Amino acid sequence: GNSVTQMEGPVTLSEEAFLTINCTYTATGYPSLFWYVQYPGEGLQLLLKATKADDKGSNKGFEATYRKETTSFHLEKGSVQVSDSAVYFCALSDQDTDKLIFGTGTRLQVFP
Amino acid sequence: DAGVIQSPRHEVTEMGQEVTLRCKPISGHNSLFWYRQTMMRGLELLIYFNNNVPIDDSGMPEDRFSAKMPNASFSTLKIQPSEPRDSAVYFCASSLTDGYTFGSGTRLTVV
Repeated sequence: GNSVTQMEGPVTLSEEAFLTINCTYTATGYPSLFWYVQYPGEGLQLLLKATKADDKGSNKGFEATYRKETTSFHLEKGSVQVSDSAVYFCALSDQDTDKLIFGTGTRLQVFP
Repeated sequence: DAGVIQSPRHEVTEMGQEVTLRCKPISGHNSLFWYRQTMMRGLELLIYFNNNVPIDDSGMPEDRFSAKMPNASFSTLKIQPSEPRDSAVYFCASSLTDGYTFGSGTRLTVV
């Protein structure tokens, strides 16, 4: 079945460091891929998405490219800020059911 | 648009009591999802509706849990009787095509 695997956290970085959070997936067909962010005490918010191979989603300085050959959708940001501290979830859409399949989440902690 | 609205934000109840969580999806969205989030198990999909009809309730943990969607603008998740292990944050989300919009969640504590 469809699944998403994320790197375990927490990821601890200093402000202005480069961020990569790895995400790989297993799916039949051509799912859409998503990154969601959850700030403390809040619900998940859509950060970015890509709907087909080689698409790049971007938002707030974050980017992720849909790589079908490596079944990956890694999240990157060139210079993180303390305000980026949150939990990041990778997800794919199940084309048969419209359900989103989420990874386990990766906690990012950014220190000044 | 006010987004997905959940109530209450926090609920503390005693074991054995009935608990009802409420959700108002975004107008025009035709799918609604209930999730539970805990440290141990992460995000779990409990049930989802499409056009007010329950499509998949395989994630509902047991018969103590029930969900309804009487119309396109309202859904409830009920736990009766509640138990301490039900303590979690419960999220509602709605969608139209790709991607979900989540509510802010209800933090449930059963003592």
